[in-house]
Amino acid sequence: DAGVIQSPRHEVTEMGQEVTLRCKPISGHDYLFWYRQTMMRGLELLIYFNNNVPIDDSGMPEDRFSAKMPNASFSTLKIQPSEPRDSAVYFCASSYNPGQGGSDTQYFGPGTRLTVL
Amino acid sequence: RKEVEQDPGPFNVPEGATVAFNCTYSNSASQSFFWYRQDCRKEPKLLMSVYSSGNEDGRFTAQLNRASQYISLLIRDSKLSDSATYLCVVSRSYIPTFGRGTSLIVHP
Repeated sequence: DAGVIQSPRHEVTEMGQEVTLRCKPISGHDYLFWYRQTMMRGLELLIYFNNNVPIDDSGMPEDRFSAKMPNASFSTLKIQPSEPRDSAVYFCASSYNPGQGGSDTQYFGPGTRLTVL
Repeated sequence: RKEVEQDPGPFNVPEGATVAFNCTYSNSASQSFFWYRQDCRKEPKLLMSVYSSGNEDGRFTAQLNRASQYISLLIRDSKLSDSATYLCVVSRSYIPTFGRGTSLIVHP
């Protein structure tokens, strides 16, 4: 089984532009998480979905950030407009509900390295 | 107080050394505990789960102390390939909180 897939792997954009990051979770996983990692703040949970429904978006830094999960195999994280302080590595991760025989082990994608100039 | 705290290091040790990391957590309702490993410019990957009874996997031993709310990781006979950042993870209701990580550098 392919792991979590993220695209693009690298993104360089200019301040003010819209950025869309994409994630395909592991098939059968019902939890999907978006994280941001920086040297200053470490790994921060931005938002997570359960069965395609956003459960907690309290980690989303501000209204410029939005996330969607239109179906079980696809999610997007959008930043509009982007700012230089958004530069970071954005990870998507998925897991399978332990209550249904899974595990709360998180499986991470390779990340998208975003640079906003 | 941060929810999960780790000494960032770096821990700089020679090959063959034994090294131990600790991690403290603030929420006594936490249910699951893990150590993840993250190599430079890579994604975090599960190293091992942590149980009160202790958990050993080859050269790695993890321990949980619920009363004191800390988690430990012991690495014996360090290898160059162990150089990485080790993330302590505490989970409640399947939602994890990651520590900032402890950097380990193993040198020849």
